[in-house]
Amino acid sequence: DAGVIQSPRHEVTEMGQEVTLRCKPISGHDYLFWYRQTMMRGLELLIYFNNNVPIDDSGMPEDRFSAKMPNASFSTLKIQPSEPRDSAVYFCASSGTSGGARYNEQFFGPGTRLTVL
Amino acid sequence: AQSVTQPDIHITVSEGASLELRCNYSYGATPYLFWYVQSPGQGLQLLLKYFSGDTLVQGIKGFEAEFKRSQSSFNLRKPSVHWSDAAEYFCAVAPGFQKLVFGTGTRLLVSP
Repeated sequence: DAGVIQSPRHEVTEMGQEVTLRCKPISGHDYLFWYRQTMMRGLELLIYFNNNVPIDDSGMPEDRFSAKMPNASFSTLKIQPSEPRDSAVYFCASSGTSGGARYNEQFFGPGTRLTVL
Repeated sequence: AQSVTQPDIHITVSEGASLELRCNYSYGATPYLFWYVQSPGQGLQLLLKYFSGDTLVQGIKGFEAEFKRSQSSFNLRKPSVHWSDAAEYFCAVAPGFQKLVFGTGTRLLVSP
């Protein structure tokens, strides 16, 4: 398996522009997570999905952020409009359930480094 | 709220020397604890995890960690560090179903 795939790897945009980050989870995984990593706040969970349904979006910073998962093999994180403080590395991770376990290993993608000028 | 604390922001270790990275957790029930490693420009990779049972857990790349309930700690160790171990290490706790809360990370530098 190719692992979790994220695109683009780097994105530079200007303040006010719309930004869309993409993620393809590992085939067969039914959980998908979006994280943001910054120097100031570390690694934060933004939102996660189970079977394409958003389960917890309490980490989404504000209404400018939205995430969708239209099918089991694709998810997007959109920022509109973008601001300089959104500059960060955004990670996508996926995991598969087994027997209703409380936790299953999350596999991370390489991340998208976003710079908002 | 459930959380983990990694008190060391940076640690420098000589190659071949032993390593211990500290992690303290705050959690009311039996915690699920993890150590992840992040190499530069890469995503996170799971080193090891503790769910229950033996308090000394073995992971990949020669790492181990010991769960000590009395000290609320889950420290990561390695007997002999290699230059390729230079990376950032994150401790994490799973406070709820499938969620992870990460510590702020410890950056490991390996000197020749």
